[in-house]
Amino acid sequence: AQKVTQAQTEISVVEKEDVTLDCVYETRDTTYYLFWYKQPPSGELVFLIRRNSFDEQNEISGRYSWNFQKSTSSFNFTITASQVVDSAVYFCALALYSGGGADGLTFGKGTHLIIQP
Amino acid sequence: EAEVAQSPRYKITEKSQAVAFWCDPISGHATLYWYRQILGQGPELLVQFQDESVVDDSQLPKDRFSAERLKGVDSTLKIQPAELGDSAMYLCASSLGHQGGGAKNIQYFGAGTRLSVL
Repeated sequence: AQKVTQAQTEISVVEKEDVTLDCVYETRDTTYYLFWYKQPPSGELVFLIRRNSFDEQNEISGRYSWNFQKSTSSFNFTITASQVVDSAVYFCALALYSGGGADGLTFGKGTHLIIQP
Repeated sequence: EAEVAQSPRYKITEKSQAVAFWCDPISGHATLYWYRQILGQGPELLVQFQDESVVDDSQLPKDRFSAERLKGVDSTLKIQPAELGDSAMYLCASSLGHQGGGAKNIQYFGAGTRLSVL
């Protein structure tokens, strides 16, 4: 069975600070995908990024960056120069690869990020 | 921009009553998922459809929950009878599935139905 651990339940920082959200995963499969989703107070989960297990390149998108390290089974998410609009619950998730399609996601418990003005 | 539509947004019901939720996925998405999210937790998969067929319902409490996607498009999730512990957010998601190439397993979520069982 798969497992995703987000040890930080809640993080509070002041606007413009950098913040890193940790994600550690467990799976016996060699082919899998990792995801990050954002859940604002409205409730809808918003897709941020997907990485596959064969691609360990870090990725940067504007103020967001992701660090994928298979050696430590981690997929951490950093927000640079945080803004109040970044306040939300962030979920890390894992999906196994099935050749015919896409498996359901296994989510972590989420990290509630609070950006104070 | 295409969205996953869910209704109702909120539902209050009494214990032992029946309740149903509806989901309309993004047009062309072959795979549809129902998740349950308890307050303060991450979503948990209940059932996955590929077109009209159930791919995974191993976590669906089949004594009281049922799900269908008769024409391979929209879907209904039903609970009968509802119990106090069913109070949660019910999220629907869809993905391109096997037709989608590299983007096939990116799941897009609806706004959810928040269920309160009294």
